[in-house]
Amino acid sequence: SAVISQKPSRDICQRGTSLTIQCQVDSQVTMMFWYRQQPGQSLTLIATANQGSEATYESGFVIDKFPISRPNLTFSTLTVSNMSPEDSSIYLCSVDRQSNTEAFFGQGTRLTVV
Amino acid sequence: QKEVEQNSGPLSVPEGAIASLNCTYSDRGSQSFFWYRQYSGKSPELIMSIYSNGDKEDGRFTAQLNKASQYVSLLIRDSQPSDSATYLCAVPMDSSYKLIFGSGTRLLVRP
Repeated sequence: SAVISQKPSRDICQRGTSLTIQCQVDSQVTMMFWYRQQPGQSLTLIATANQGSEATYESGFVIDKFPISRPNLTFSTLTVSNMSPEDSSIYLCSVDRQSNTEAFFGQGTRLTVV
Repeated sequence: QKEVEQNSGPLSVPEGAIASLNCTYSDRGSQSFFWYRQYSGKSPELIMSIYSNGDKEDGRFTAQLNKASQYVSLLIRDSQPSDSATYLCAVPMDSSYKLIFGSGTRLLVRP
């Protein structure tokens, strides 16, 4: 499996501010995804991070709120913009290294918005 | 709307018993299925993948797939307290690389 480093591991942020989460993989991967896990809930896909083009967002998620960058095949960022307490969640980076839909996760970023 | 359904539990079993976790899915065209284990406060860890009907065994874990009935199960033999976690079933969306996760089943293994 790929080694996926995600940072920060946790943060407490003021409402109205933005936080950028970084995801670094130890080798090139085709597919990178960002998920959200709200307290006590399962994982929901936010978007697919596409190298060299705009991210593909799932229903209910928009670029203005969750801008994503993917400058190369080993790195991506997710920004949570204009945060509110409802954005308090765990945000997870995921990669599909072998393009066979086996996805592996970073350690996650636990975000608390106060 | 594609769905993946799991009983939220908790499923409580004594140490040494077999734990049986079940998952049903709505997309009859799904071809691959995954089980993830998530300890509290940690990220999901892939423990089993299965692609064809029947059983797939890996150590104490056995995944069972029945495409006709649209269910996939995970058996954990000789359950240990360290197996206590939430188990998430995941299925790709529309034959893509994007996964839909079930709500997860919380397993408690009593010493």
